[in-house]
Amino acid sequence: NAGVTQTPKFRILKIGQSMTLQCTQDMNHNYMYWYRQDPGMGLKLIYYSVGAGITDKGEVPNGYNVSRSTTEDFPLRLELAAPSQTSVYFCASSATGKLFFGSGTQLSVL
Amino acid sequence: DAKTTQPPSMDCAEGRAANLPCNHSTISGNEYVYWYRQIHSQGPQYIIHGLKNNETNEMASLIITEDRKSSTLILPHATLRDTAVYYCIDSPGSGANNLFFGTGTRLTVIP
Repeated sequence: NAGVTQTPKFRILKIGQSMTLQCTQDMNHNYMYWYRQDPGMGLKLIYYSVGAGITDKGEVPNGYNVSRSTTEDFPLRLELAAPSQTSVYFCASSATGKLFFGSGTQLSVL
Repeated sequence: DAKTTQPPSMDCAEGRAANLPCNHSTISGNEYVYWYRQIHSQGPQYIIHGLKNNETNEMASLIITEDRKSSTLILPHATLRDTAVYYCIDSPGSGANNLFFGTGTRLTVIP
C-alpha cells in the first residue's frame, strides 16, 4: 500500500492564480481531512469528508473548496490564491480514529 | 480550537525518559486519547492511543489518569531522533469528524 499520496510536493503560485492539490489514499478509508500548517504553528483543519459525496468545513475553510467523488480521492481547490495561503498542506485519512498523513505540499503564493 | 492543552516546549537528556503531559479537560466518554509526532516538516506520525487503560507499544507508553482529564506520553529512552513536535488529541475510536490539533509540545533531546 502507498498510503496517502499528495501531489505536488512544492508549488509557487502568483496572486490570483488557481490550483488543485491532489490527495489519494489506497486504504479504503471513509474519513479524509485537509490541514494547513503555517511556519512554527500547529495544524489547522480546512475541510473534512466522512465519505464519498459528503464534505464539511473545518476551522479555516475560507478561500478553499473540496470535493469527494470517490472514496480514494479528496482534492483541495484554491480558486484565487492569496499570500495568506502560503503554507504547508497535509492530507490525512482514517477508518478508526488513527490518522494516516501524506508527506505534504509546500505552497508559496507570491 | 484544540480541545487539549500541552506545554509549548520541553527538553530531555539523551537516554533519559521523556514525559510529555496533556490536559483533556473536555474529553467525552467515547473519545480516545491519541498521540502523534511531527519530525521537522514531515506529515505527523501516529504513536499510540488509549481509552482509559495504560498502553504500551514499541514506540512509547501512555498513562491516562482515572478521570481521563490528563495523559502522559512516555518515551522511555529518548534519542536524538525523538526530537519533534508531539500532539495529543481526543478522537472517537470509530472514525471522526472534526479532529483539531493544537500547537503541540516541541521536545528537544539534548546530547
